[in-house]
Amino acid sequence: KQEVTQIPAALSVPEGENLVLNCSFTDSAIYNLQWFRQDPGKGLTSLLLIQSSQREQTSGRLNASLDKSSGRSTLYIAASQPGDSATYLCAETNNAGNMLTFGGGTRLMVKP
Amino acid sequence: EAGVAQSPRYKIIEKRQSVAFWCNPISGHATLYWYQQILGQGPKLLIQFQNNGVVDDSQLPKDRFSAERLKGVDSTLKIQPAKLEDSAVYLCASSLVDLRHLNTEAFFGQGTRLTVV
Repeated sequence: KQEVTQIPAALSVPEGENLVLNCSFTDSAIYNLQWFRQDPGKGLTSLLLIQSSQREQTSGRLNASLDKSSGRSTLYIAASQPGDSATYLCAETNNAGNMLTFGGGTRLMVKP
Repeated sequence: EAGVAQSPRYKIIEKRQSVAFWCNPISGHATLYWYQQILGQGPKLLIQFQNNGVVDDSQLPKDRFSAERLKGVDSTLKIQPAKLEDSAVYLCASSLVDLRHLNTEAFFGQGTRLTVV
């Protein structure tokens, strides 16, 4: 059974700081990994999708990396802003199943 | 492009009552998912459809939950009878094809927040 873990569960940083969110998964037969953002009371917004053959993806101030051998992905947020405050979720798709297995999320607060 | 639509946004019911949620996926998306998200946790898959057929319902509590996707487009998720522990956000998602296709993403609706009292 796949397990996805996100540490820390919550993070508070001052505005302007660069930060890294961590995601680890137990199953090396990963097909792809997707990072999502969730605002309070809202659905999930897709941020980045990394195929297993890729090492990283970038979108604006966001950079996501994938290391299959160590079972880890990181989401790097540069020059954080108060508008980045949200819960960030990672989810993997395994080669055996067409579904997303989610981590518990990291709740990020960026203080002005 | 219109996103995944869900209704209602909020629902409060008493335990043992029944409730139904509706989802309209992005046009042309073959795969539809229902997830349950309990407060403070990540979403958990309940059921997955490919067109109008069930692909995976292994985590659906079938004694009280049911779902259908008639004509391979809209879907409804029903709970009967509801329990207190069913209080959660129910998220619908869709993808164009199987997520194991290159560069295929899942897109989520806003969710339905269910409170069972």
